[in-house]
Amino acid sequence: GQQLNQSPQSMFIQEGEDVSMNCTSSSIFNTWLWYKQDPGEGPVLLIALYKAGELTSNGRLTAQFGITRKDSFLNISASIPSDVGIYFCAGQSNTGNQFYFGTGTSLTVIP
Amino acid sequence: EPEVTQTPSHQVTQMGQEVILRCVPISNHLYFYWYRQILGQKVEFLVSFYNNEISEKSEIFDDQFSVERPDGSNFTLKIRSTKLEDSAMYFCASKWVPGGVQYFGAGTRLSVL
Repeated sequence: GQQLNQSPQSMFIQEGEDVSMNCTSSSIFNTWLWYKQDPGEGPVLLIALYKAGELTSNGRLTAQFGITRKDSFLNISASIPSDVGIYFCAGQSNTGNQFYFGTGTSLTVIP
Repeated sequence: EPEVTQTPSHQVTQMGQEVILRCVPISNHLYFYWYRQILGQKVEFLVSFYNNEISEKSEIFDDQFSVERPDGSNFTLKIRSTKLEDSAMYFCASKWVPGGVQYFGAGTRLSVL
């Protein structure tokens, strides 16, 4: 299947700091999604991206659909304790219905 | 806000037993999915379902697995003879249009003993 590499694997940051994480794919995607997952819960959609170069914000979160269509970035500004969780990227190609998930970035925010 | 609901939240079963995981997708959605997440690992695609048939499935989705939409609201995943390695969180997801976003349920934790 498709390989999505997400980095970093984990982050430990101070409250108030900005966070950046990215996701790269070996193939082109037409849709990129970013999800947050809390322990024992299902993934919750944060941001959806549909076009190469698109930059979309949702509150303190900003995500970009890479120009090459093989990558995407998620930034969180001014982190707060409730940002703690695992962040997953997911991509969908135009040849199928499924989304391929990244390996996840575990975020810990230290108050 | 409409949501995908899954039952039960936790299912414990003996190895070799059959289990059925249930999902109620968002009501006007047309595409349905099952994913699996082994503890500490990424979410893995199992199967997609559209127009009352499987449209895609992964290597994980072998003959032990089946899906069904028995009525207009439920979407089920059956595992015929569970194995220890089937222990995982199982997530149902649905979406409305081909290029749309998927919304996930809270998951069913399956524990095979």
